[in-house]
Amino acid sequence: AQSVTQPDIHITVSEGASLELRCNYSYGATPYLFWYVQSPGQGLQLLLKYFSGDTLVQGIKGFEAEFKRSQSSFNLRKPSVHWSDAAEYFCAVGAGTSYDKVIFGPGTSLSVIP
Amino acid sequence: NAGVTQTPKFRVLKTGQSMTLLCAQDMNHEYMYWYRQDPGMGLRLIHYSVGEGTTAKGEVPDGYNVSRLKKQNFLLGLESAAPSQTSVYFCASSYPEGQAEAFFGQGTRLTVV
Repeated sequence: AQSVTQPDIHITVSEGASLELRCNYSYGATPYLFWYVQSPGQGLQLLLKYFSGDTLVQGIKGFEAEFKRSQSSFNLRKPSVHWSDAAEYFCAVGAGTSYDKVIFGPGTSLSVIP
Repeated sequence: NAGVTQTPKFRVLKTGQSMTLLCAQDMNHEYMYWYRQDPGMGLRLIHYSVGEGTTAKGEVPDGYNVSRLKKQNFLLGLESAAPSQTSVYFCASSYPEGQAEAFFGQGTRLTVV
């Protein structure tokens, strides 16, 4: 079975600074990889996903993530953080042909200092 | 376009009471899911359904039951609520493919006292 870890429980960055959120997974084959964002009081929204092809994927809201097979990582990045990016971020790993096999990481809470 | 709608948004129950959470989606998705979200644990799958009339257990099914009588609706029931079921519950729906995007409702915050 697959697993996913997000080493950082909470991160604080200044507005305008760059951001990198870490995600590591464990799975024997190439997994499906997702990043979701949860704004306060809201459900989760998909930022981006990887399932094949180019290992650098672009998402919404200026986010990108890079799949590194050798490091079993799928880190999320943004070059310049906006105050509205303050939210909870979840990495998710899927294995198999159907979405019911997706497992979510514990989440990283992002705070943005004006 | 409403997407995924959960009812109610908040609820307080006494231990032993029962309740049903309703999820409705208007995207004609085959798959629907119920998750619970607890601090530091991410989302854990309770039950899911791959089509009308079908349900299956997820990672943490104990204490919950579900039904999918109509394709657009997925109900989550608590027969006898316990304090350990205090959580935020999310419903989601998707197409079947493993790389599909899941669409989430806004959540139901349940407190069992």
